[in-house]
Amino acid sequence: DIQLTQSPSFLSASVGDRVTITCRASQGITSYLAWYQQKPGKAPKLLIYAASTVQSGVPSRFSGSGSGTEFTLTISSLQPEDCASYYCQQVIGYPLTFGGGTKVEIK
Amino acid sequence: EVQLVESGGVVVQPGGSLRLSCAASGFTFDDYTMHWVRQAPGKGLEWVSLISRDGSSTYYADFVKGRFTISRDNSKNSLYLQMNSLRTEDTALYYCAKDNGSPGSWEDYFDYWGQGTLVTVSS
Repeated sequence: DIQLTQSPSFLSASVGDRVTITCRASQGITSYLAWYQQKPGKAPKLLIYAASTVQSGVPSRFSGSGSGTEFTLTISSLQPEDCASYYCQQVIGYPLTFGGGTKVEIK
Repeated sequence: EVQLVESGGVVVQPGGSLRLSCAASGFTFDDYTMHWVRQAPGKGLEWVSLISRDGSSTYYADFVKGRFTISRDNSKNSLYLQMNSLRTEDTALYYCAKDNGSPGSWEDYFDYWGQGTLVTVSS
């Protein structure tokens, strides 16, 4: 199975900060990676797929990059509503797997 | 508007069985692959299973193989998960999710999710 390791597992940042979350794959997955946002008590929401394609309706401050084994999700200017957990997911093979998550807190 | 509504989650004893349902609306259900994803309390996301648009292809996570069966009834716009030989570690919120692929293909990303149904396995 392909393992995805996210870092950090927790981060605290101020409104307006640039925030970067990393996801590393245990083997190369080309660009077959997605990012999801999950707010407390809510279902996850697709933000980014194919490593860098922004899902329709997602604010432009969210972006994704990377290929192979290292990927990043960037929030260019953190907003209060971005307080959530973020998960990466690989889709190159079965079983589909997720990273362990990154919880983002607003300072 | 796409809606996915799960049901069927209850408290069940270890070794028991349960069938979850997901009622879909707002899109052409039989054009899309569908998935089940679960989340144990306070934990991360785990993909469970997928079924292709016509039910001819299914895939499972190793931890449910031989115990869970995914199925669908396109005439009822419904997705199901039959869960047998339940274990305490199967306790989780179970989400159904729509694949974001184009009609007739699949991508394995999840663009719409239900609100989940809680399965608790406990004696």
